[in-house]
Amino acid sequence: DTEVTQTPKHLVMGMTNKKSLKCEQHMGHRAMYWYKQKAKKPPELMFVYSYEKLSINESVPSRFSPECPNSSLLNLHLHALQPEDSALYLCASSQQETQYFGPGTRLLVL
Amino acid sequence: AQSVTQLGSHVSVSEGALVLLRCNYSSSVPPYLFWYVQYPNQGLQLLLKYTSAATLVKGINDFEAEFKKSETSFHLTKPSAHMSDAAEYFCAVSVGGGKLIFGQGTELSVKP
Repeated sequence: DTEVTQTPKHLVMGMTNKKSLKCEQHMGHRAMYWYKQKAKKPPELMFVYSYEKLSINESVPSRFSPECPNSSLLNLHLHALQPEDSALYLCASSQQETQYFGPGTRLLVL
Repeated sequence: AQSVTQLGSHVSVSEGALVLLRCNYSSSVPPYLFWYVQYPNQGLQLLLKYTSAATLVKGINDFEAEFKKSETSFHLTKPSAHMSDAAEYFCAVSVGGGKLIFGQGTELSVKP
């Protein structure tokens, strides 16, 4: 089973809202990732967690705040987003070098 | 720096025709290479991967790719296109530390 699940599938939020995206995997992978993807573009890496510790932060604005409560869960907390943050947010987990992606959360910031 | 180049942002084929999507990479070390497919409004699905075993790699849905070190290429092929193959395809190289470098993507259209 190579399934990564993400909730919600769609999210609409105002610029003053606080919301969270959730990601879960039960494959025993010890690395998890958040990506942002704009239309017709490849995914852009935001954060990497390895063994529940943040190992890469690609200079992402502080209005995005990741959290890894345990080895199976990854959250992305959103606060005071801008309209340009509207995108597909993808979660992934990896075994060795191979990453497996979830279905994504389509985010619209109004 | 490692990079991935996908030749052709859009490829159109007829149903039943050969599919060829091109990918060239630059890497200073033996690479791990991947092809992912993305259907509209979905995440990325792993099609196949090269991890320094066999140079001809078979993936899902009859796709395969051949690693050619001399040409630094990892082109994706499928003998006979199906309408359901219409999607965005991404080639990627692993650069270590959990990072993937993606190509810009190739949109495949399949005409009936």
